[in-house]
Amino acid sequence: QVQLVESGGGVVQPGKSLRLSCEASGFSFSNYAMHWVRQVPGKGLEWVATISYDGSQKYYADSVKGRSTISRDNSKNTVYVQMNSLRVEDTAVYYCAKEEISYDYWGRGILVTVSS
Amino acid sequence: DIVMTQSPDSLPVSLGERATINCKSSQSVLYSSNNKNYLAWYQQKPGQPPRLLIYWASTRESGVPDRFSGSGSGTNFTLTISSLQTEDVAVYYCHQYFNYPRTFGPGTKVEIK
Repeated sequence: QVQLVESGGGVVQPGKSLRLSCEASGFSFSNYAMHWVRQVPGKGLEWVATISYDGSQKYYADSVKGRSTISRDNSKNTVYVQMNSLRVEDTAVYYCAKEEISYDYWGRGILVTVSS
Repeated sequence: DIVMTQSPDSLPVSLGERATINCKSSQSVLYSSNNKNYLAWYQQKPGQPPRLLIYWASTRESGVPDRFSGSGSGTNFTLTISSLQTEDVAVYYCHQYFNYPRTFGPGTKVEIK
């Protein structure tokens, strides 16, 4: 069965960096675009970034553009997002999601807290 | 950017009754070359990730009960739960995947009246 497992979250000070990972299993990872979506606790969903199946195309939300980099390693079935210059407003649960047509599978999410 | 709006914000419905959620996009998400609406609906329960219910505006995802249905085209869409069950209490989001940036509606909270 499809599984997406995020890791790398935690508490980080403003201005610092963090790299989130999402390890996938149960499907042909290298055939699918992958996304990061975040959610401030108690609030709505915000798309963060997308990487194409082969890593050749990347898209970012304005809120993270220039501060974040999405990447993938198809040999490890893993997608990453490197987040730099973190802000308090980046505090959220970060989900990775697989795209078939829309987001058909999601991870459980990982909490990132940006606080001094 | 395509702005997604939803109404109502909160929807109290009696068990067994119909629930109707509306979603509007600020521009059409209908792709003329394939006549498909790039609109999805998600259900999210507390402490869980979102679950895909509907894609292409009206296609039910595998395993989703048939009391859930989606309709609409262009800029106006509806998610209908034909007979509300206790397990349907959740927040429902519409989502456009027509272009980037991908955007979501603010959510509609469905609860038992």
